[in-house]
Amino acid sequence: AQSVSQHNHHVILSEAASLELGCNYSYGGTVNLFWYVQYPGQHLQLLLKYFSGDPLVKGIKGFEAEFIKSKFSFNLRKPSVQWSDTAEYFCAVIPGSARQLTFGSGTQLTVLP
Amino acid sequence: DSGVTQTPKHLITATGQRVTLRCSPRSGDLSVYWYQQSLDQGLQFLIQYYNGEERAKGNILERFSAQQFPDLHSELNLSSLELGDSALYFCASSVGSSRRSTEAFFGQGTRLTVV
Repeated sequence: AQSVSQHNHHVILSEAASLELGCNYSYGGTVNLFWYVQYPGQHLQLLLKYFSGDPLVKGIKGFEAEFIKSKFSFNLRKPSVQWSDTAEYFCAVIPGSARQLTFGSGTQLTVLP
Repeated sequence: DSGVTQTPKHLITATGQRVTLRCSPRSGDLSVYWYQQSLDQGLQFLIQYYNGEERAKGNILERFSAQQFPDLHSELNLSSLELGDSALYFCASSVGSSRRSTEAFFGQGTRLTVV
């Protein structure tokens, strides 16, 4: 079945460590790609998105993601995490002619002070 | 604040009952999406409306229905509730309906507990 996979369910890092969260999708053809973040008790917020063009996308709060078409991947990165980055991170895809987001299962990031 | 308003924030009800969740989209947004977030299923798309018309349907049960009104607010109706319907229900809105206009802004969700 077509899906979005986030293999890391829970990641624990110390402050200043580098972060990379994996996201793979199984849709062929054109896709729009997103990363959303959900801070505790809050709504989903868009971190960054990729529609076309430069496969390296920069988002808010120092996050970036790289679209690698050959690997069907859209991994999220941040060079140095902060305690305030503790949240759940969701990768999402709009595949083909669809209009709605299909989400991965999420990765809970805990940053230790 | 995303600009998307959902009410109520919390809802506790008994099995077999019916509830209505309400969503007011951001000003100017014509599309409304409903998602269900549960521990076992993750974030699942339920249904989308655009300017009052149903545009896309996902994993929405027959016991669930939705509509979008002329003022663009939307309601999600859940009936014959079961314990497994307990979840966080998110509404999102976007300006348009095409793929490139689907940067969705999410509300804070309604947490439904069925007892």
